[in-house]
Amino acid sequence: AQSVTQPDIHITVSEGASLELRCNYSYGATPYLFWYVQSPGQGLQLLLKYFSGDTLVQGIKGFEAEFKRSQSSFNLRKPSVHWSDAAEYFCAMTNTNAGKSTFGDGTTLTVKP
Amino acid sequence: ETGVTQTPRHLVMGMTNKKSLKCEQHLGHNAMYWYKQSAKKPLELMFVYNFKEQTENNSVPSRFSPECPNSSHLFLHLHTLQPEDSALYLCASSQNTGGTDTQYFGPGTRLTVL
Repeated sequence: AQSVTQPDIHITVSEGASLELRCNYSYGATPYLFWYVQSPGQGLQLLLKYFSGDTLVQGIKGFEAEFKRSQSSFNLRKPSVHWSDAAEYFCAMTNTNAGKSTFGDGTTLTVKP
Repeated sequence: ETGVTQTPRHLVMGMTNKKSLKCEQHLGHNAMYWYKQSAKKPLELMFVYNFKEQTENNSVPSRFSPECPNSSHLFLHLHTLQPEDSALYLCASSQNTGGTDTQYFGPGTRLTVL
């Protein structure tokens, strides 16, 4: 069975500091991986996705993520966090067959001034 | 209007009421989805429609009844709900249901069942 784990429920960083949100997946093959962001009262917005090729992918709003097959991870990073980045972040995967999505529990990001 | 829209944005209903949630996508996609997002729980896939046909029902109770009259519209009919059904209901669409098809989400309907 496929699964996605986001080990950190809540992370607090200072504005201007770097950020890394962790995501681990469990799947028998290479999955398709996504990061979404959800602001309060809003739906999910796609930040970036990885299907194949270069393992470092760039997304919107200055985010990037790196796929590491050996660690079954797809961690999200940003070099300098802005107050507007405060939100909930979801890692998700789809399998290569049916396309059924599995989401992690989410990580809530708080940004300190 | 662009993207995925959902109405109403907020809904309060009693357990004996019947109401419907509406989702509309303006992206020309073929697949549409209903998700339930409860506090402190992961996003739960409820239903998937592809070319108006239901392709997935994730063991959802019959008090939730989806309807997809065309590829642009998706409804979720609600009746005899329970307080534990209170949640944010998200609609999404994608070009198709393949693994590489990115899902685009609406803003959700915040449902409260009294």
